[in-house]
Amino acid sequence: QVQLQESGPGLVKPSETLSLTCTVSGGSVTNNYWSWIRQPPKKGLEWIAYVHYSAENNYSPSLKSRVTISLDASKNQFSLKLSSVTAADTAVYYCARHSGRGVGGGYTAYDLDYWGQGTLVTVSS
Amino acid sequence: DIVMTQSPLYLPVTPGEPASISCRSSQSLLNSNGYHYLEWYLQKPGQSPQLLIYLASDRASGVPDRFSGSGSGTDFTLKISRVEAEDVGVYYCMQALQSPRTFGQGTKVEIK
Repeated sequence: QVQLQESGPGLVKPSETLSLTCTVSGGSVTNNYWSWIRQPPKKGLEWIAYVHYSAENNYSPSLKSRVTISLDASKNQFSLKLSSVTAADTAVYYCARHSGRGVGGGYTAYDLDYWGQGTLVTVSS
Repeated sequence: DIVMTQSPLYLPVTPGEPASISCRSSQSLLNSNGYHYLEWYLQKPGQSPQLLIYLASDRASGVPDRFSGSGSGTDFTLKISRVEAEDVGVYYCMQALQSPRTFGQGTKVEIK
């Protein structure tokens, strides 16, 4: 059973960099795409970025200038860095796996089939 | 970005009765491979979101068959044939056709 666990500081000061790590167990980070999603308090879900072992990555345009996503296969982890944070970046941050499941015709779906429990990051001085 | 719009945003339900949530996208979610890249997730109270439906109508592993997804183009529906108490939470649709992936606002389902 695949499990994902987010870790990192729960409190970050404004203008500093938020750094989170997602540790994957029960599977290898080399086999799938991996994403970060966030949810501000009492609000909906926002996709941030995804990464693949091949070094392919993709970012939400609204955050692209401040976000870096990376993968460390040796530790079976992937990470998120968000720079110049403000109070608007306060949210629960989730890591998730893209299934990469094969479907008819040789095509692939990339739904988010496993999620971490989420970690609350508060931006405050 | 593709804008996803859900309705209703709040849905009080009676156990044993059917329920339906609509999701509309600002552009077609039909991929050139013939599949619609639309997913449904349920976030139960205090939990992470969980996958219910992918490719518009395929149930994820372990999802009860009272959940079904349908639709095409820009209009999609999640149906619960007979609501159970454990189905409460916020339901989100998400488009997976293009980046950035975008979610609907969420539909909160509560028991009457």
